[in-house]
Amino acid sequence: LAKTTQPISMDSYEGQEVNITCSHNNIATNDYITWYQQFPSQGPRFIIQGYKTKVTNEVASLFIPADRKSSTLSLPRVSLSDTAVYYCLVGPTGGFKTIFGAGTRLFVKA
Amino acid sequence: GAVVSQHPSWVICKSGTSVKIECRSLDFQATTMFWYRQFPKQSLMLMATSNEGSKATYEQGVEKDKFLINHASLTLSTLTVTSAHPEDSSFYICSAGGTGPTNTQYFGPGTRLTVL
Repeated sequence: LAKTTQPISMDSYEGQEVNITCSHNNIATNDYITWYQQFPSQGPRFIIQGYKTKVTNEVASLFIPADRKSSTLSLPRVSLSDTAVYYCLVGPTGGFKTIFGAGTRLFVKA
Repeated sequence: GAVVSQHPSWVICKSGTSVKIECRSLDFQATTMFWYRQFPKQSLMLMATSNEGSKATYEQGVEKDKFLINHASLTLSTLTVTSAHPEDSSFYICSAGGTGPTNTQYFGPGTRLTVL
């Protein structure tokens, strides 16, 4: 299982773009990169998933360089409600277990 | 789509009693489900992998006789905390992956267990 490393915490202000980078040096060929958001006392919520290059959906973008040893979650124009813990997970999709790292606590200030 | 539910959302029980938590995939079949526990201000810790029709696989350090897991169908897995003690108080979260719409792992809302 690929180990991931993320910053422990980040601060931002409303309206700013936030980029959270995750390192996963030993990512395997069949591994996908998935980001989740978790609010207190709730289960993690799927944000975005990708394999290579760039993926964009209605809430975020995911940038993955060619060597796939890192990835960056980009949240455009954050709001106070984006204050949460963000987890980067690396592994095969579906029925394969994944191990959570410490995650990144994002605090958005007014 | 890809909704996972848990029941109950919270439970309070006396020490020594057993508590059952249900995890259901509502709109897809999940050949595999996972159970996690999370303590305050900490990350999720994987407890076990639940496979439909077979025995669960427990992570190192997790007592399989204390945390009984049953995956009776492609949409239901249960976690029973037997003879619960105050140190078992935690937030329990399940996830499901398998033949879902994007084959991504989706998480339930969690169950808060408090043992008095």
